Amino acid sequence: AQSVSQHNHHVILSEAASLELGCNYSYGGTVNLFWYVQYPGQHLQLLLKYFSGDPLVKGIKGFEAEFIKSKFSFNLRKPSVQWSDTAEYFCAVKRGSYIPTFGRGTSLIVHP
Amino acid sequence: DGGITQSPKYLFRKEGQNVTLSCEQNLNHDAMYWYRQDPGQGLRLIYYSQIVNDFQKGDIAEGYSVSREKKESFPLTVTSAQKNPTAFYLCASSDPGETQYFGPGTRLLVL
Repeated sequence: AQSVSQHNHHVILSEAASLELGCNYSYGGTVNLFWYVQYPGQHLQLLLKYFSGDPLVKGIKGFEAEFIKSKFSFNLRKPSVQWSDTAEYFCAVKRGSYIPTFGRGTSLIVHP
Repeated sequence: DGGITQSPKYLFRKEGQNVTLSCEQNLNHDAMYWYRQDPGQGLRLIYYSQIVNDFQKGDIAEGYSVSREKKESFPLTVTSAQKNPTAFYLCASSDPGETQYFGPGTRLLVL
């Protein structure tokens, strides 16, 4: 079965710090990769996704993620976080026609 | 304004009671999903449906049931067999590009 690991469960940063959240998956074949974000009191929503092509994908609000096939990773990055980035972040992996598998999530708190 | 609606926002269940959580979408999506969200455990799939009148068990289906009689609706029943029902329940649908769209959630509490 597919598994998705998000190693950082809780991250606390000051504003303007750089962010990198890890996401690793277990399946070695073709996958579709997603990052979703859940801001306090809001719906879970798509941040960015990768299906094929350029392994560096850009999403909303200055976020980007890099797919490294050899490392089975899809880490999320942002050069300079803002207080408004405080949220829970979920990585998801979809293999073929299977239902997406979600990681356990990372709670990010950004101090103003 | 298209999207997913879930009701109620909060639901209280008594011991031995079945309760039903509503999920409606007007996005014309074929696929719909129910997830359970617990702190530190992420989203766990309860049931999913890829087309009307068909649904499949997810990873934690025991104690839950669903129906998919209409494309727009995918209600979830939490039965008395579910021994630990207190959680946040999320409904979602997905578009042909496989992006999932989530509802606002229902928080279920046991009295």
